[in-house]
Amino acid sequence: AQSVTQLDSQVPVFEEAPVELRCNYSSSVSVYLFWYVQYPNQGLQLLLKYLSGSTLVKGINGFEAEFNKSQTSFHLRKPSVHISDTAEYFCAALNFGNEKLTFGTGTRLTIIP
Amino acid sequence: DTEVTQTPKHLVMGMTNKKSLKCEQHMGHRAMYWYKQKAKKPPELMFVYSYEKLSINESVPSRFSPECPNSSLLNLHLHALQPEDSALYLCASSQEAGWYGYTFGSGTRLTVV
Repeated sequence: AQSVTQLDSQVPVFEEAPVELRCNYSSSVSVYLFWYVQYPNQGLQLLLKYLSGSTLVKGINGFEAEFNKSQTSFHLRKPSVHISDTAEYFCAALNFGNEKLTFGTGTRLTIIP
Repeated sequence: DTEVTQTPKHLVMGMTNKKSLKCEQHMGHRAMYWYKQKAKKPPELMFVYSYEKLSINESVPSRFSPECPNSSLLNLHLHALQPEDSALYLCASSQEAGWYGYTFGSGTRLTVV
């Protein structure tokens, strides 16, 4: 069975500072990995995904993530955050051939002006 | 069209009411999903439809009844709900079940009174 861990429930960051949101996964088989963002009272928007190939994945809104198989991690980064990045961020995993997308518990990113 | 459309956006219903949530996509996706999201929690899978057939029911109470009339439409019929069923209900679709690239709708905020 797969599981996804987001250790940081809340991350406060000053505007224009860099940020890293951590995600670790466990799976006995190969996985697809995703980061979703959820703004208040909205659905989930896909930020980026890792399927195969290059371990550095670039997404929308200036975010990127790096897949590290040895550390079973898929951390999300942005070099300079903006007030509009305030949102909930979910890491998710999908095993090959499995129909169930498993979410982490989410990280609330708060940008401090 | 790259969207999943959910209606209504907000719904308030009494415990004896019958109501339905609607989800529509025109991306040619053959898998559709219902998720339930409580406040400050990650989405939880409820149902998966693949090629208009129910393939996963995550032990959801029978007061929730899904229906997939065609490949573009997914309904969730609600009857005799409890206040604890109040949540954001999210619909998603993907090209195939277990296929990467889930697209989520913006959700229906349900309040049971």
